[in-house]
Amino acid sequence: AQSVTQPDIHITVSEGASLELRCNYSYGATPYLFWYVQSPGQGLQLLLKYFSGDTLVQGIKGFEAEFKRSQSSFNLRKPSVHWSDAAEYFCAVAGGMNTGFQKLVFGTGTRLLVSP
Amino acid sequence: SAVISQKPSRDICQRGTSLTIQCQVDSQVTMMFWYRQQPGQSLTLIATANQGSEATYESGFVIDKFPISRPNLTFSTLTVSNMSPEDSSIYLCSVAGQEGLNTGELFFGEGSRLTVL
Repeated sequence: AQSVTQPDIHITVSEGASLELRCNYSYGATPYLFWYVQSPGQGLQLLLKYFSGDTLVQGIKGFEAEFKRSQSSFNLRKPSVHWSDAAEYFCAVAGGMNTGFQKLVFGTGTRLLVSP
Repeated sequence: SAVISQKPSRDICQRGTSLTIQCQVDSQVTMMFWYRQQPGQSLTLIATANQGSEATYESGFVIDKFPISRPNLTFSTLTVSNMSPEDSSIYLCSVAGQEGLNTGELFFGEGSRLTVL
């Protein structure tokens, strides 16, 4: 069965500094990978997704993520963090068309705090 | 994309009572999904609601506890029955966008935060 690990519960980054949020997945086949962001009082919003092709994917709000099969990782990065990026970030994996795309398995989330 | 509205946004409930959460989508969608987000934990899929058929529940979730209705292609309700403090969670409605049915992209409502005393 699929699983997702986000090892960092909280991360604090200074505004303007770079950011990397870690995500490791477990899945036997080619995974479909997602990053979602949940701002306070709001629903989840898709930042980016990886299905195939270029392992470096670009998303909204200046985020990018790199799929590394050898490390079973899909880390999220941003070169310069803004105060508005403070939120909870969820990594998720789907099994693919045959197993039901809607059955996303989510990590426990990483809460990003941005200091002035 | 899809715009999803959930009601109530939050509520405080007494043990043993039931609460119904409503989910309204601004477009017709085939599948609607209900997730639970317990404090400090990841999102867990409760069930998939298709219009005109019984909801499909994930392991660990049963219809008696979480009855779901799906009367049309834009609306669904989730009831949390006979609540206990362990049911205190955020309940989220989500849909796959027209493209998302094949890509796994889900759109989420803002969630309904339930606190059971």
